[in-house]
Amino acid sequence: DARVTQTPRHKVTEMGQEVTMRCQPILGHNTVFWYRQTMMQGLELLAYFRNRAPLDDSGMPKDRFSAEMPDATLATLKIQPSEPRDSAVYFCASGLARGGNQPQHFGDGTRLSIL
Amino acid sequence: EDQVTQSPEALRLQEGESSSLNCSYTVSGLRGLFWYRQDPGKGPEFLFTLYSAGEEKEKERLKATLTKKESFLHITAPKPEDSATYLCAVQAWGAQKLVFGQGTRLTINP
Repeated sequence: DARVTQTPRHKVTEMGQEVTMRCQPILGHNTVFWYRQTMMQGLELLAYFRNRAPLDDSGMPKDRFSAEMPDATLATLKIQPSEPRDSAVYFCASGLARGGNQPQHFGDGTRLSIL
Repeated sequence: EDQVTQSPEALRLQEGESSSLNCSYTVSGLRGLFWYRQDPGKGPEFLFTLYSAGEEKEKERLKATLTKKESFLHITAPKPEDSATYLCAVQAWGAQKLVFGQGTRLTINP
């Protein structure tokens, strides 16, 4: 089965450090989503791309978060500088946007701890 | 604003004891309602998509149903391996994003 691949799976770093999370979407999928999951807020959408173009990043703190898709096989989410409140599990999902309604398929996440 | 509320927050059943999970939603125009299963330390795994009221989908011991205001995930004769958090999400017309509920944590005791 094709899967979304996320790296690293775990990241522990100190406040103020830059964090980069990577995602390889399922081959052939043309939409990529970044979600954050916390106990308090559940799953929240941060940003998404269609055909590598950013369509919505309204869920992201703009001053510290940035999301890019340098090519069709790689999406990145960066936090600079990181803060303790950024501690969460970050999920990438990919899907195929076409006439029908296609589900999003999730990776296993990056568990981020900011000390 | 689109919203999803799931109940109960947690449910503990004995193996073989059937039950239902609820997902109530408000959305500007429903394009699709999705059910996912999430195991600890893993990402959500897609189960079903429902599009219109009256629709039903089945997979093994799971059956999802949809009305204009809510969806139910019925679990028949569950097994311990059905233990997981079940997430419901809605997608509105004209949108790509999913709005998720907080999930129901289901535990099946042997």
